[in-house]
Amino acid sequence: QVQLQESGPGLVKPSQTLSLTCTVSGDSMSRGDYYWSWIRQSPGKGLEWIAYIYYSGATYYNPSLRSRSFISVDTAQNQFSLKVNSVTVADTAVYYCVRGAVPLVWFDPWGQGTLVTVSS
Amino acid sequence: QSVLTQPASVSGSPGQSITISCTGTSSDIGGYNYVSWYQQHPGSAPKLVIFDVTSRPSGISDRFSGSKSDNTASLTISWLQADDEAEYFCYSYAGSHSISAFGTGTRVTVL
Repeated sequence: QVQLQESGPGLVKPSQTLSLTCTVSGDSMSRGDYYWSWIRQSPGKGLEWIAYIYYSGATYYNPSLRSRSFISVDTAQNQFSLKVNSVTVADTAVYYCVRGAVPLVWFDPWGQGTLVTVSS
Repeated sequence: QSVLTQPASVSGSPGQSITISCTGTSSDIGGYNYVSWYQQHPGSAPKLVIFDVTSRPSGISDRFSGSKSDNTASLTISWLQADDEAEYFCYSYAGSHSISAFGTGTRVTVL
């Protein structure tokens, strides 16, 4: 059974870079059957899809975050990562890594989520 | 980016059925048969309960069912149980050149 686990700092200062990693277990990203996404959830903006990556490195971003976001994959480690630069308090949210069989059609399963707070 | 509208709350008694609506446009819900629904208990991650409008993932109770009419999708929970008390979000594919938003969320309360 596939499981996803987010990791990274829980506190980031304004204007700095948020960095998160998702470790996938129970499935090999290299099989190429799925797309791997980051989604965040905040009280003010609800659930917001950020970006996805395919094992080959192909990516797609939400236009609202494209200029500040970067998603990458490390198939050897079975991990994918997210960086968001120039963060503000509006980037405070629970960040989830998720799997999808077809890009942007549905998401399953979800990682447990990690709270990232932007504060000085 | 499209927006999907849900009622803020729905309630029902144990054993009853409830239906949650999700209203979009012809560019998302009305244009594709790719609506999914997610259940989220407090403090937990969302969980997929319906995909492709009507399909249930393995392990999801058949008390959960989905449907769609024009630009509105619906999630019905039959034989309501205490554990169904959670927030539910809808989501719809909006085409390869558009980003769809999740629904606004519906809090289900079991009376």
